[in-house]
Amino acid sequence: GAGVSQSPSNKVTEKGKDVELRCDPISGHTALYWYRQSLGQGLEFLIYFQGNSAPDKSGLPSDRFSAERTGGSVSTLTIQRTQQEDSAVYLCASSLVGRIMNTEAFFGQGTRLTVV
Amino acid sequence: KNEVEQSPQNLTAQEGEFITINCSYSVGISALHWLQQHPGGGIVSLFMLSSGKKKHGRLIATINIQEKHSSLHITASHPRDSAVYICAVRFDTGNQFYFGTGTSLTVIP
Repeated sequence: GAGVSQSPSNKVTEKGKDVELRCDPISGHTALYWYRQSLGQGLEFLIYFQGNSAPDKSGLPSDRFSAERTGGSVSTLTIQRTQQEDSAVYLCASSLVGRIMNTEAFFGQGTRLTVV
Repeated sequence: KNEVEQSPQNLTAQEGEFITINCSYSVGISALHWLQQHPGGGIVSLFMLSSGKKKHGRLIATINIQEKHSSLHITASHPRDSAVYICAVRFDTGNQFYFGTGTSLTVIP
């Protein structure tokens, strides 16, 4: 597809279960970002991948959260032992290069995660 | 400290009205995006700005780098414009985007 694709679009899971959220960035985009938006809150940075560099994980809220990006393309965000406070919209974005002026970022539609 | 402020937080308008949403930021940026989030949660990127002005249909976005301020304008507003509009900024000093808290717009027929 032409845009950033996220799957699933909606996920309901039981507390304590693990979940995986997937992001397919635009082909050739070297920068990939994960954000989340909890109910009534703004978007919160989680993790940033840029090429083959070590990812910026400074936004991950706990060690239950991890993310990987295989082959510099698809990224998976994993939440282990989910808690109700993990319920949020998880948003992925990609751009051609991370820091160059005028580089547009493209956002996925998001995955709405509900932990019950 | 990197900060992004949006105003107003909530806005109700009559169909046809001209709407302005504002975004201010604290330090130099490399990019600013305006995003639209519909009630179902899906997010659409409307504009990316680094200077000047862009127009797409009834939407106009402007940025003043010296004043560290951007505005999103909607002309001849329509109920389908009802959504949350979010300003996203990438600062010169980092890689990630920082987001405003969003402006919830409701356009009444």
